[in-house]
Amino acid sequence: DQQVKQNSPSLSVQEGRISILNCDYTNSMFDYFLWYKKYPAEGPTFLISISSIKDKNEDGRFTVFLNKSAKHLSLHIVPSQPGDSAVYFCAASGGYNTDKLIFGTGTRLQVFP
Amino acid sequence: DGGITQSPKYLFRKEGQNVTLSCEQNLNHDAMYWYRQDPGQGLRLIYYSQIVNDFQKGDIAEGYSVSREKKESFPLTVTSAQKNPTAFYLCASTSGVGYTFGSGTRLTVV
Repeated sequence: DQQVKQNSPSLSVQEGRISILNCDYTNSMFDYFLWYKKYPAEGPTFLISISSIKDKNEDGRFTVFLNKSAKHLSLHIVPSQPGDSAVYFCAASGGYNTDKLIFGTGTRLQVFP
Repeated sequence: DGGITQSPKYLFRKEGQNVTLSCEQNLNHDAMYWYRQDPGQGLRLIYYSQIVNDFQKGDIAEGYSVSREKKESFPLTVTSAQKNPTAFYLCASTSGVGYTFGSGTRLTVV
């Protein structure tokens, strides 16, 4: 049972426009959410996170929004740049296993000129 | 520089052979993890260890084994019982909620 879902396997966006990556979760015990970025043949790197006590967190071009009632979070990248082309994973933790992150299946973002 | 080192970066194994993937961290993190990445399936947890000399199975532990004799090291053995071992393997560690990942090992069975 996939507790964290990224229903869009890929997304293509023009440079300078907004990229919106979505993530849904099923476990209401999750209370901390993270986004990771991954280039091919490399390990994921941390991008941005949000606690369940907030509904928005911003860091430069990256903003994460959390809608707890809908069990949905999204990552906005504005403006998108070609270097943003990568696979993005959302992850969640909470409940009994606060040290164990549950990852989504990833969304491949391609930013074209 | 603190970080996680995975070696080797590429590994080829003949069918029926066991192989061990190395993961070393100098971040003084208590918890370490092994994930496997397959196309379209995201990151799936194989094993994790929250303290030395203790580890737990993740979601796909069959055909794998680990040890945690030292805080810095968490090697993963892919045994001949693993039916589909060709994948990209990632090691991670944490002192809290966010993870630091290694650069991964790509294992190919030939």
